[in-house]
Amino acid sequence: AQSVTQLDSHVSVSEGTPVLLRCNYSSSYSPSLFWYVQHPNKGLQLLLKYTSAATLVKGINGFEAEFKKSETSFHLTKPSAHMSDAAEYFCVVSLTDSWGKFQFGAGTQVVVTP
Amino acid sequence: DTGVSQNPRHKITKRGQNVTFRCDPISEHNRLYWYRQTLGQGPEFLTYFQNEAQLEKSRLLSDRFSAERPKGSFSTLEIQRTEQGDSAMYLCASTLLRTGANTEAFFGQGTRLTVV
Repeated sequence: AQSVTQLDSHVSVSEGTPVLLRCNYSSSYSPSLFWYVQHPNKGLQLLLKYTSAATLVKGINGFEAEFKKSETSFHLTKPSAHMSDAAEYFCVVSLTDSWGKFQFGAGTQVVVTP
Repeated sequence: DTGVSQNPRHKITKRGQNVTFRCDPISEHNRLYWYRQTLGQGPEFLTYFQNEAQLEKSRLLSDRFSAERPKGSFSTLEIQRTEQGDSAMYLCASTLLRTGANTEAFFGQGTRLTVV
């Protein structure tokens, strides 16, 4: 079985400071991992994905994530938050076999203060 | 626009009525997924298709829910005898499944259902 846990339901950061969103996963197989962002009244947008290539993955808008198999983690970071980063972020796991169902975490709401 | 398209974007219905939503995936994508998202929660898997075959249904999908993908292209999700608890955002996603690889899912904007 696969599952994903986002360790923080809310994160508040000041503009210009680093952002860290934590995600742990559980999977019986080699997983593919994704981070999606959802702005209010907008659709889900892919930020980045890990599919068993490089463990440090760079995404859009300055975000990056590191896959750590020993810790079963896939934390998302950004060195300097921007006001436009305020949104809901979802960590997603999928199996790299023919199954391919996407399992979402509960989400982390990011608030950016001036 | 060649993304995933969902219609309608919003639907308000009275309890007990039937509703149907449509999803048009990205044209070459062979997998299509339906998810439901309630306020403050992550999307929950409902069902998915590979081409026209429905491969899995979640326990969340009661017998009032039915989904089809008749020609392996667009899909419909019907809810019969709607209940207030069905109020949610219904999301459709598609992906191209290839052997040995796993691509990301592309999501539509969703259909927001309100049952009054």
